[in-house]
This record gives sequence, structure tokens and C-alpha cells, in this order.
Amino acid sequence: AQTVTQSQPEMSVQEAETVTLSCTYDTSESDYYLFWYKQPPSRQMILVIRQEAYKQQNATENRFSVNFQKAAKSFSLKISDSQLGDAAMYFCAYGADFGNEKLTFGTGTRLTIIP
Amino acid sequence: DGGITQSPKYLFRKEGQNVTLSCEQNLNHDAMYWYRQDPGQGLRLIYYSQIVNDFQKGDIAEGYSVSREKKESFPLTVTSAQKNPTAFYLCASRRREVLSLAQTFFGQGTRLTVV
Repeated sequence: AQTVTQSQPEMSVQEAETVTLSCTYDTSESDYYLFWYKQPPSRQMILVIRQEAYKQQNATENRFSVNFQKAAKSFSLKISDSQLGDAAMYFCAYGADFGNEKLTFGTGTRLTIIP
Repeated sequence: DGGITQSPKYLFRKEGQNVTLSCEQNLNHDAMYWYRQDPGQGLRLIYYSQIVNDFQKGDIAEGYSVSREKKESFPLTVTSAQKNPTAFYLCASRRREVLSLAQTFFGQGTRLTVV
């Protein structure tokens, strides 16, 4: 079974600084997807960034980028120039388009932005 | 506007009562999912359905039941057999084509409290 582990329950960062959230996963599949979701206080799940396992290049979306290490099964999220609006719970998730076709989530990291 | 609608936003239930959470989508998605969110445990899959009149148990199905009589609707019933039903419940949907995992849409959630 696939598992996703987020070992940092809470993180904090000064506004305008950079922070990295960690995620590791376990799978026997070779093709899969990894995601970072943001859940602000409204509790709406927002997709931040995604990475296809077959792509070697790390995904980037504006201030958000990932460090995908397939052999190490590591998928960290870097937030640059942190803003107050980045404060939220962040969930790492794994999914595959075959098999049981579901998203498996980590336990989340609560990110606090310090003004 | 297309999207997923969960209702109600807040729900209170007396112990021993069954209660049904509504999830409706107008995105023409085939697959629908129910997740439960508890503090420190991330999102855990309760049930999912990939086509009408078919559904599968997720990781924590005990004490829950679902139906999928229409493509647009995937209601979740929390039965009296669920020992600790107080939680936040999220519904999600997506198309079933390959590479569509990134297009998973989430509802706004229902907060269920047992009183």
C-alpha cells in the first residue's frame, strides 16, 4: 500500500523568507503523481503544485517549487518570498492513474507566517 | 458555475442517529470520493465510486454507507455504528481519463458534530 509521510507537524517562517516543507512516500509503482495541496482556514482544498514521476525536471509554479528525488522517494515543497496569505495547512498527496485511482494524503504541515 | 456542492456546512447529530451528508457535482465527473479529516491525521478515504451504481470501500469505511444512483450525486450516511463520527468530511470528484488526477475538485466540506 502507498503511504505518505510528513514529519513536520508545524513550521513557521518570517514573511519574505523561504521555507521548505518535507514529504516522503512509499510506492512500488514506477508511474505516479505527487501533489501539494493547501488548506487555508476556509478549509477549501487548493492544488498548489503537481509533479509527474516520469518527469525529471522539478515542477515550479511562481513562488512554489518542488525538489523531487525519485530514488529517495522524497518530494519537498519550497515556498519563496513567503506571504501572509501562505499561512495554511499543507498536504502532500500521492496518486496513480491505475490501480485504485485514489489520492493518498500525508498528515499535513501547519505553516505559520511571522510578520 | 461548475463545481461540487456539499451540504450542509455544519451538521449536528445526536448519538445513535444516522445522518446523511450531501455531495452534488455538475462537472460531469465519473469518479467521486469521500474523505474524513481529523486533526493530525490528514485526509483518510472513506468510500469512492468510479461509475454509477458501483462503489468501493476506502481505508475507514466501517460505520459509513454510500449510494451512487446518479452520476451527479454521492451521498454519505454516517450510521450509529460509527464510534467517533465528529469530524470534517470532504467530498471530491474527477474525470476518469488518464492524467486527470490533477483535476480533482473538492467541495467546501461538512463539519459533523455529535452532541
